Amino acid sequence: AQTVTQSQPEMSVQEAETVTLSCTYDTSESDYYLFWYKQPPSRQMILVIRQEAYKQQNATENRFSVNFQKAAKSFSLKISDSQLGDAAMYFCVCLGGSNYKLTFGKGTLLTVNP
Amino acid sequence: DTGVSQNPRHKITKRGQNVTFRCDPISEHNRLYWYRQTLGQGPEFLTYFQNEAQLEKSRLLSDRFSAERPKGSFSTLEIQRTEQGDSAMYLCASSSRRGPVYEQYFGPGTRLTVT
Repeated sequence: AQTVTQSQPEMSVQEAETVTLSCTYDTSESDYYLFWYKQPPSRQMILVIRQEAYKQQNATENRFSVNFQKAAKSFSLKISDSQLGDAAMYFCVCLGGSNYKLTFGKGTLLTVNP
Repeated sequence: DTGVSQNPRHKITKRGQNVTFRCDPISEHNRLYWYRQTLGQGPEFLTYFQNEAQLEKSRLLSDRFSAERPKGSFSTLEIQRTEQGDSAMYLCASSSRRGPVYEQYFGPGTRLTVT
């Protein structure tokens, strides 16, 4: 079983600035994966970035990067050079177990101010 | 690759009525998942299929809920005798093997409102 905790219900950032979204998780699985998904208003869920737990190197996708601290069970998302299109609800997600079901946090609503 | 589609996008129904939602996954994706998202919450797992076999159901899925995936293609989720607590966004996702990770691709969801 997995649990995912996002302690920041809302965050805001100025356009072109950097913001970090926090996430902690717990899992009994030895083999698991972590994701950040983005859900823009009235639009569908989109995968932003993924991290395999067995990899020590932090994942990076263009302006998005993660800080994966396995011992601390922490998985934060950094968005650099924030753009207006980054405004969305961001979900931290854990995948583990044989059925590969996703366990979501409650989400962080990111506002990008022009 | 046309993505995951869901129909209808919105459904308003009266309490006690039955409703059915459809999900068409990305072609060749063998796994299909249903999630429910209530206001202000993250999606919660309901059930999943591998091909046509329903392999797991959440405790959230009461006896009033039933899901099918005939022939391992599209899936339907039916709610019988709807209750106001069933009001939510119902999300469908599909996945296939890509490297060692199953990545799930989501549809736009069906928003159910029970009055």
